[in-house]
Amino acid sequence: AQSVTQLDSHVSVSEGTPVLLRCNYSSSYSPSLFWYVQHPNKGLQLLLKYTSAATLVKGINGFEAEFKKSETSFHLTKPSAHMSDAAEYFCVVSVLGWAAGNKLTFGGGTRVLVKP
Amino acid sequence: DVKVTQSSRYLVKRTGEKVFLECVQDMDHENMFWYRQDPGLGLRLIYFSYDVKMKEKGDIPEGYSVSREKKERFSLILESASTNQTSMYLCATNRESNQPQHFGDGTRLSIL
Repeated sequence: AQSVTQLDSHVSVSEGTPVLLRCNYSSSYSPSLFWYVQHPNKGLQLLLKYTSAATLVKGINGFEAEFKKSETSFHLTKPSAHMSDAAEYFCVVSVLGWAAGNKLTFGGGTRVLVKP
Repeated sequence: DVKVTQSSRYLVKRTGEKVFLECVQDMDHENMFWYRQDPGLGLRLIYFSYDVKMKEKGDIPEGYSVSREKKERFSLILESASTNQTSMYLCATNRESNQPQHFGDGTRLSIL
């Protein structure tokens, strides 16, 4: 079984300050991990993915995430928030193989508010 | 870029109606998925398909069925709509298991 916990349901930051979105996962197998962003009334857009290569993953729009196996974490960061980063962010785990049903498991989401 | 198109952005239907939600993808992906998204519950998988005419139940299939007659099209069917099926419905695709899924913009469905 696999699960994902996003530790903060809401995060508020000022424009130009760093953003940290926390994600912990559990998985019986080697996972692939993703971060998606969803702007209002839109579908989910892939920010970045980890698939057992480098543990520090760079994504679009200046975001990056670090996979820490010992801590079972995959936190998302950005050095300087922009107003356009206001959205909901989802941490997602996928487990290789049809035994896992080719399913993604989504965290509950973190809504980011960026203050001017 | 992968394009996943959902036929309607907003839809209003009445209780008891049969409702069809359509999803079309242009990248020849094998796998297609239907999710519903509700506040506080995140995304939940309804059904997925890994080939034409093949389907698998997800976590919440009750009250829904699906159809995949062609590779590019995956339809979600509410056999007899009920008010608890009011939700945002998202379609997604990927080429292989464990690859990122690409999402459509969603259909916000209201059942009155």
